Amino acid sequence: AQKVTQAQTEISVVEKEDVTLDCVYETRDTTYYLFWYKQPPSGELVFLIRRNSFDEQNEISGRYSWNFQKSTSSFNFTITASQVVDSAVYFCALSDENTGNQFYFGTGTSLTVIP
Amino acid sequence: DTGVSQNPRHKITKRGQNVTFRCDPISEHNRLYWYRQTLGQGPEFLTYFQNEAQLEKSRLLSDRFSAERPKGSFSTLEIQRTEQGDSAMYLCASSSRTVSSGNTIYFGEGSWLTVV
Repeated sequence: AQKVTQAQTEISVVEKEDVTLDCVYETRDTTYYLFWYKQPPSGELVFLIRRNSFDEQNEISGRYSWNFQKSTSSFNFTITASQVVDSAVYFCALSDENTGNQFYFGTGTSLTVIP
Repeated sequence: DTGVSQNPRHKITKRGQNVTFRCDPISEHNRLYWYRQTLGQGPEFLTYFQNEAQLEKSRLLSDRFSAERPKGSFSTLEIQRTEQGDSAMYLCASSSRTVSSGNTIYFGEGSWLTVV
């Protein structure tokens, strides 16, 4: 069965600190996709990044970076030099090739960046 | 290029009343999804359309819930005889099978339902 675990419920950091959000997933499929979404107070889920199971290359995009490790079934997300605008709930999600119509979301990590 | 549009954004209704939410997906997207999100939880899948065909429904979608996508464009989600447990945010999302986007789904701003 598919499962996504975000063990960190809430994180608070002071502005300009780096912060890493953890995500651990479970799936029996060999082909799957992993996602991070950001949900600001307005409610809209904003797509941040997508990775497929054959692409373990880690990526840096501005202040954001992602660390995908199949060996530990983890897909962690790091914000460098955090800003107040980064305050939001961040969700990790999984979809399989065979159940690609469904996304399985974690319970989210609420990030508060304190000025 | 407009994103996924949902309305109404907020709805307060009395228990037992019917409510309907509308979703307009991104225009070139042929796949449409409804999710439900309660406070402190991640979104949970409700149902999925490919064009006008409803191909998948979650067990969360009780017989009081019905979703339609009559012409493969906009979709409606109706909840009949609302209960307090239906209070949640209802999220619509859409996607396309193009190579560039793969399985990424794009969400609207959601419709908040409060049943009193």
